[in-house]
Amino acid sequence: SQKIEQNSEALNIQEGKTATLTCNYTNYSPAYLQWYRQDPGRGPVFLLLIRENEKEKRKERLKVTFDTTLKQSLFHITASQPADSATYLCALDMDGANNLFFGTGTRLTVIP
Amino acid sequence: DAGITQSPRHKVTETGTPVTLRCHQTENHRYMYWYRQDPGHGLRLIHYSYGVKDTDKGEVSDGYSVSRSKTEDFLLTLESATSSQTSVYFCAISSSGQGAAGELFFGEGSRLTVL
Repeated sequence: SQKIEQNSEALNIQEGKTATLTCNYTNYSPAYLQWYRQDPGRGPVFLLLIRENEKEKRKERLKVTFDTTLKQSLFHITASQPADSATYLCALDMDGANNLFFGTGTRLTVIP
Repeated sequence: DAGITQSPRHKVTETGTPVTLRCHQTENHRYMYWYRQDPGHGLRLIHYSYGVKDTDKGEVSDGYSVSRSKTEDFLLTLESATSSQTSVYFCAISSSGQGAAGELFFGEGSRLTVL
């Protein structure tokens, strides 16, 4: 069955450093992968989408890579700030119909 | 912010009672989704809709039904609520679907507790 794993449940990092979050998947070759941010008590908010033929995508301080051979995506936040503290979710279209399957998320805490 | 409203935002009910959650959108998006979010499981797709009166099952559809009689409204019904359906339910909308990559816009969630 399809499986999506995010490397750790929680990640603490010092302000100003780069946070790196990992998303691994098995048993499928998705055409694209998405990253979302979720704050406590709120719905997820879309951040970035990367397609299978794109190796890297950037948006301001965010960078996503997508390695279809390793079946892995890395999500980087450079110059992290306390306001970046949230849970980050990766999501993949696992059935070709834009029905997204989500990982369980990594809770990032940026320490001032 | 995308115009998505979920109601009720919080509900406590008893086992065996029917419950309906409503999702209302003002974006005129074709695709609407219901997810549930539980600790350790992440977001799981319950049902989705690709148009008025067009719906299909997701990953965890047992015990749930949906209806979409208008573009703007997508209803999720628990015919006879069980304690295992205690969860936070999220509605999402998208202008893309059926193989076209598109972002989802989520509502604020409906927290349901079944005693």
